[in-house]
Amino acid sequence: NAGVTQTPKFQVLKTGQSMTLQCAQDMNHEYMSWYRQDPGMGLRLIHYSVGAGITDQGEVPNGYNVSRSTTEDFPLRLLSAAPSQTSVYFCASSRIWARSSYGYTFGSGTRLTVV
Amino acid sequence: GESVGLHLPTLSVQEGDNSIINCAYSNSASDYFIWYKQESGKGPQFIIDIRSNMDKRQGQRVTVLLNKTVKHLSLQIAATQPGDSAVYFCAVSGGSNYKLTFGKGTLLTVNP
Repeated sequence: NAGVTQTPKFQVLKTGQSMTLQCAQDMNHEYMSWYRQDPGMGLRLIHYSVGAGITDQGEVPNGYNVSRSTTEDFPLRLLSAAPSQTSVYFCASSRIWARSSYGYTFGSGTRLTVV
Repeated sequence: GESVGLHLPTLSVQEGDNSIINCAYSNSASDYFIWYKQESGKGPQFIIDIRSNMDKRQGQRVTVLLNKTVKHLSLQIAATQPGDSAVYFCAVSGGSNYKLTFGKGTLLTVNP
C-alpha cells in the first residue's frame, strides 16, 4: 500500500516555464488537496477536490491549475512559474464521511525552486 | 473563515520531561481537530485526533485536550524522547466544508 505518491521530489524551473506536479493515491480516497509550505507561513491550501470531475480553489490558487479525471490522480500545474512559487508542495488525501475529513495522508513533498 | 494560531513557535524540553503544545482556533462551529508531526524533509504525519463531542483523547504517550469554551486545543507528550523532535501542527475542520485549516506549527526540540 503506497499511500500518497508525489513526483518529482525536487525540481528547478526557470521563470516562465510550466510544469506539472504529480500526485497519486491508492487508498480510494475521495478528497485530495494541494498545499504549499513556506517558512513561517504554515500549510496553505492551493486547490482541492472532493471527487473525480470536481475541483475548487483554496486559499492561494493563483498561478496554479488542477484537474481530477480519476479518483487516484490529482496533478497540479504551474502555468508560468514565478520565483514566488518557490516552495515545498504537499499533496494530501482523505476519506469523506458525514461532511468531515478523517485526517489527511500526506505525500513526501516536492521541493520546487524557481530561478 | 477559520483561523488557527499557536501560542509558541518553538519549545525546548529535556529528554524525559512532558511537553505541552497549544493551539487556538476561531470558529466555534469547528468539530474535528487533528495533531500532525512533521520531521525534517518529510510530509506531516497524523498523530491523534479528537471530535468536538469529546474533551480528551489518549494515544500512546500522547494526549489531546479540547476546551471548546475558550476554543483551545493542546497536545501533551509524555516522557519526551529525542525522536519526538519535530514540528507539530494542529489542524481544524468543521462547518460545511472538508478543508483543514492548519496552524503555523511549533518546533519541538528535545535536549538529551
